[in-house]
Amino acid sequence: QLQLQESGPGLVKASETLSLTCTVSGDSIGNKGYYWAWVRQSPGKGLEWVGSVYSSGTTHYNPSLKSRLTLFVDTAKNKISLNVRSVTAADTGVYFCARPAESLRPLEWAPYGFDVWGHGTKVTVSS
Amino acid sequence: SYELTQTPSVSVSPGQTARITCSGDALPKQYVYWYQKKPGQAPVLVMYKDDERPSGIPERFSGSSSGTIATLTISGVQAEDEADYYCQSADNTDNYYVFGTGTKVTV
Repeated sequence: QLQLQESGPGLVKASETLSLTCTVSGDSIGNKGYYWAWVRQSPGKGLEWVGSVYSSGTTHYNPSLKSRLTLFVDTAKNKISLNVRSVTAADTGVYFCARPAESLRPLEWAPYGFDVWGHGTKVTVSS
Repeated sequence: SYELTQTPSVSVSPGQTARITCSGDALPKQYVYWYQKKPGQAPVLVMYKDDERPSGIPERFSGSSSGTIATLTISGVQAEDEADYYCQSADNTDNYYVFGTGTKVTV
């Protein structure tokens, strides 16, 4: 059974870089072409798509985060990683790793809904 | 930026029907997905591509989409259905994910 597990520091200082990892178990990232995604939820607010990364490394980013965001995959370690630079209090929240219900061929893109989610990891940006 | 608008809250008694709407200009051309979100838990996909119910989701959940409005219906609401519900679709420009503003369902 596919499982996703997010990990990373719970506390990050403002202006520094937030780094999170999603470890995938139960399947190999390189087996099929999925766009692995990060979704976050700020305190008291709704869900926000952060960005998605294909098993080959192709990325799609939320335009509001694009200038500060890097997503990458490590197929050897079966992990997806996220870096958000120059964080502010607005980056505080719970970050989820998720996988869409359908795979895609390389160079394809479609925002399919997510049927597998990690439990999420809480991040607080301190001043 | 593109927005999906949901009614902030819906209150229903057990056994009644809850209808949650999601409004967006791009919906005529985009699929809609629905998630149930309970505090401290990961979202759960309860409706796929407008009206397809994922495996394991109770039959009391149904979905529809017409024009610029998509609807998630919960028939015979149970206490365990109390949660926040989010629609998700995409804009027509970048075709990127967009989540709705969320609806709190109180049973």
